[in-house]
Amino acid sequence: AQRVTQPEKLLSVFKGAPVELKCNYSYSGSPELFWYVQYSRQRLQLLLRHISRESIKGFTADLNKGETSFHLKKPFAQEEDSAMYYCALSGRGGSNYKLTFGKGTLLTVNP
Amino acid sequence: DTGVSQDPRHKITKRGQNVTFRCDPISEHNRLYWYRQTLGQGPEFLTYFQNEAQLEKSRLLSDRFSAERPKGSFSTLEIQRTEQGDSAMYLCASSSLAGSGNYGYTFGSGTRLTVV
Repeated sequence: AQRVTQPEKLLSVFKGAPVELKCNYSYSGSPELFWYVQYSRQRLQLLLRHISRESIKGFTADLNKGETSFHLKKPFAQEEDSAMYYCALSGRGGSNYKLTFGKGTLLTVNP
Repeated sequence: DTGVSQDPRHKITKRGQNVTFRCDPISEHNRLYWYRQTLGQGPEFLTYFQNEAQLEKSRLLSDRFSAERPKGSFSTLEIQRTEQGDSAMYLCASSSLAGSGNYGYTFGSGTRLTVV
């Protein structure tokens, strides 16, 4: 069974501080990992995919297969980063369509 | 095409009534998904269409739930004999079938169902 765990429901940091949102997963195989973000009163949207190794809005995430983790990091948090963040995984190939989401972490960046 | 549209945004219904939600995906997307999200939880997979074919249904989707995508374009999700436990946000998403990668979904704003 595939599972995504986000251990922190709430995370509060000050503007300019580093931020790390934790994500651990369980999957028998090589999954594809994603971070989705939902800003206040907006729809859920894709932030980044591990496979593209990109940095979006200053956020990066590295897939650690040994620790089965995909933590989201940003060196200097901004107030506009305050949002709900969801980690998600899918399979590959024929099973790559279905996403399994974690419960989410609400990030608050204080001024 | 401004993205994935869902209608209605909110629905309040009495227990036992039937409700139907509509989703219009991005026109170029041939994959369409329904998810359900309850308070404090991430979205949970309900069902998946590739074009007009419903290829997977979650065991979360009881016999009271039915989804269609008749012409491979818009989709409807119907809940019969609603129960209070059906109260949730119902999310629709779409994506394209391109290569073997998962390029991520585009989500709609959701339909919030309240069963009273």
